[in-house]
Amino acid sequence: GESVGLHLPTLSVQEGDNSIINCAYSNSASDYFIWYKQESGKGPQFIIDIRSNMDKRQGQRVTVLLNKTVKHLSLQIAATQPGDSAVYFCAENQVDSSYKLIFGSGTRLLVRP
Amino acid sequence: SAVISQKPSRDICQRGTSLTIQCQVDSQVTMMFWYRQQPGQSLTLIATANQGSEATYESGFVIDKFPISRPNLTFSTLTVSNMSPEDSSIYLCSVAGTSGSSYEQYFGPGTRLTVT
Repeated sequence: GESVGLHLPTLSVQEGDNSIINCAYSNSASDYFIWYKQESGKGPQFIIDIRSNMDKRQGQRVTVLLNKTVKHLSLQIAATQPGDSAVYFCAENQVDSSYKLIFGSGTRLLVRP
Repeated sequence: SAVISQKPSRDICQRGTSLTIQCQVDSQVTMMFWYRQQPGQSLTLIATANQGSEATYESGFVIDKFPISRPNLTFSTLTVSNMSPEDSSIYLCSVAGTSGSSYEQYFGPGTRLTVT
């Protein structure tokens, strides 16, 4: 498949360790955020979302943290597996105006066996 | 979540020609969007495909270059017109407003376009 994110920042972790991927968003008026996972040759896959009235949300092996004060979003992946290797994007949205998403630049996660 | 398909999955085209990309969803959705992902880059919104009316384009994208149709709530097309090598990208459609998920947005598999 074709490579995505050839020049992206890369996070390399050992299999079984926890991963933390960070994102700084741009618009203080954004009130909805999504994390996506994109594997090579595929479209972005929805992982987890969070509204601005929350500061933490948990899913299966993933947790998203939102710090509105510093406009920072993070994705934590517990017990990282080889299948988690991909490019991860955060996206922000103002739900009262439209569903349009503004994407961050992305981070490549490499899981070492 | 909705199941989204795109045709073609990839194509190699000559400069000056046009390509129409189709996006089909397996259920009615409120919103459909078209994004571009240039090599090694993040996603950029091209336009919102409006059912029964003209698409809403983002800054830097125009209807003459990227005409869009949305005849119903499950289907949309994006045409890349008069292509040049700079149009080589992955083109992705996305949907929002599926049943029970007002704001969650899901993406199709993408169309990988190479212009020679």
